[in-house]
Amino acid sequence: GQQLNQSPQSMFIQEGEDVSMNCTSSSIFNTWLWYKQEPGEGPVLLIALYKAGELTSNGRLTAQFGITRKDSFLNISASIPSDVGIYFCAGPAGNQFYFGTGTSLTVIP
Amino acid sequence: EAQVTQNPRYLITVTGKKLTVTCSQNMNHEYMSWYRQDPGLGLRQIYYSMNVEVTDKGDVPEGYKVSRKEKRNFPLILESPSPNQTSLYFCASSLSTGEGKTQYFGPGTRLLVL
Repeated sequence: GQQLNQSPQSMFIQEGEDVSMNCTSSSIFNTWLWYKQEPGEGPVLLIALYKAGELTSNGRLTAQFGITRKDSFLNISASIPSDVGIYFCAGPAGNQFYFGTGTSLTVIP
Repeated sequence: EAQVTQNPRYLITVTGKKLTVTCSQNMNHEYMSWYRQDPGLGLRQIYYSMNVEVTDKGDVPEGYKVSRKEKRNFPLILESPSPNQTSLYFCASSLSTGEGKTQYFGPGTRLLVL
């Protein structure tokens, strides 16, 4: 199956700081999705990207679809305590969905 | 309210004792899927279904079975659970397969196999 690698694996940041994380794939994706998982919950979609080079925002979150179509980036500006969770990239390939290994974010008040 | 429900939320069982985890969605979605989540590995797809009576293997199907007799339900069956199936399981659904379709996830089922 496809491999989606995320980095960093975990982040500990001060409230108010900006956050950057990325996701790389061994093969091309035509759609990139970013999900957030809070403790005890299922993943929830944050942003969907459909075209190479696309830059899309959702509040303080901005995600980009890499030009090579093998990577994607997520930025969170001015982090707040409720940003805590695990962030996953994901993409459909054929009829299957693939998820990255996740970036765990801790925000220190 | 649009939702995906799973039952049970927590389950402790012993090796070899058959179990079923139920999944139901009320959004009339065609596509349903099961994932397992393990530390450091993210979510891995076990099985998916594109519609009633149409199911296919994901990346980690060994030891699992599914059925899709009705559009809203997609149970996950472990005929003979083993300790390496201890994991957090998620059911998800979406309108259709493939590109650009948002998946809605259930709350998860935490399974411990002794």
